[in-house]
Amino acid sequence: QVTLKESGPVLVKPTETLTLTCTVSGFSLSNARMGVSWIRQPPGKALEWLAHIFSNDEKSYSTSLKSRLTISKDTSKSQVVLTMTNMDPVDTATYYCARISGYSYESWGQGTLVTVSS
Amino acid sequence: EIVLTQSPGTLSLSPGERATLSCRASQSVSSSYLAWYQQKPGQAPRLLIYGASSRATGIPDRFSGSGSGTDFTLTISRLEPEDFAVYYCQQYGSSPPNTFGQGTKLEIK
Repeated sequence: QVTLKESGPVLVKPTETLTLTCTVSGFSLSNARMGVSWIRQPPGKALEWLAHIFSNDEKSYSTSLKSRLTISKDTSKSQVVLTMTNMDPVDTATYYCARISGYSYESWGQGTLVTVSS
Repeated sequence: EIVLTQSPGTLSLSPGERATLSCRASQSVSSSYLAWYQQKPGQAPRLLIYGASSRATGIPDRFSGSGSGTDFTLTISRLEPEDFAVYYCQQYGSSPPNTFGQGTKLEIK
């Protein structure tokens, strides 16, 4: 059974750096063409894709957020980590990790709500 | 960047009726790269359709997807009470690789 679970702080201050971890099970991050994305959703708003990383360490980032994002993986720990610098209240959102299956997302984590406030 | 525009923003229908949701892309999208998701309050999105017309595992056959190029449609043939939710289309491209539409809220009339 494939599962993904997000973890990280629920509250961060403006200008701080957010670090989120996605811990996966039921599959290996080293499997060929295996990929995990981070996607966020501000309260009451639409989904926004942030970044993805594949088993071969290929990475890609949202054009508008590229300068603030870093994605990495630790295959031995089955974890994918996303860092976002210079957090702002507009970054308040539920952050999801999801497994890429082909060209879509069949498996999602439950999401973690991150609030940016002083 | 490919922009996906979904219409209508809100669709009010009754159980038993047919729902037709639209997703229009600003540039041509390969059918293989177009997916639809359902999201209920407090839940993560659920994959319904991938490759524009293939149902994901466990998805009832009242859900169907169609379209090509820049125009794609999600159809729910006969609405069940549990189908009232928000629906998103998503495309996998090149730069950036992924974009989502702004969503269509399907509400009970």
